[in-house]
Amino acid sequence: NAGVTQTPKFQVLKTGQSMTLQCAQDMNHEYMSWYRQDPGMGLRLIHYSVGAGITDQGEVPNGYNVSRSTTEDFPLRLLSAAPSQTSVYFCASSYFRGAYYEQYFGPGTRLTVT
Amino acid sequence: EDKVVQSPLSLVVHEGDTVTLNCSYEVTNFRSLLWYKQEKKAPTFLFMLTSSGIEKKSGRLSSILDKKELFSILNITATQTGDSAVYLCASTLNNNDMRFGAGTRLTVKP
Repeated sequence: NAGVTQTPKFQVLKTGQSMTLQCAQDMNHEYMSWYRQDPGMGLRLIHYSVGAGITDQGEVPNGYNVSRSTTEDFPLRLLSAAPSQTSVYFCASSYFRGAYYEQYFGPGTRLTVT
Repeated sequence: EDKVVQSPLSLVVHEGDTVTLNCSYEVTNFRSLLWYKQEKKAPTFLFMLTSSGIEKKSGRLSSILDKKELFSILNITATQTGDSAVYLCASTLNNNDMRFGAGTRLTVKP
């Protein structure tokens, strides 16, 4: 099992450019999510999905879109990049253990917007 | 507003010391409290707590939850340099949302 994979590892964008961060998992988990991590702010949930065809907003969804057409893939789209979106982005895949979702995180994508 | 607050933000100790990391939460529809360890890259899961007063243990690490006072602690005994990391706590909300604290950066010196 590859677990959770994210591409690219690093990306530099200019303000106004768009791009898609890719996330894939091979564990057949229903729940997937995207976080951003900024210095001193911990992880903040952007969007999450409880299954194919279902997505919902987290704490900081503005400026990002997601879709979940398959169980395996959960891409995150930046529509018009802004310097405030400079961050490290983590994708996570989870399965439900009765009282909580046990999360497996991908290695992260470091995004810089200039 | 749902929030999770961790303290201290950073901590420097020497090998063999015992440390206590704190996590307080104010969230609506609380489901569970989770602890993660983050070294260079992605966080890895440590503990999940849902019930007050029941200690979870894994080797030198242990954690407990107080749902009346809305906090959790993570204890690490006989610390080692390999324990150096950022420790994150997070609260799972009823709608599958999660709130993370800012983390405590622990540095263990030889």
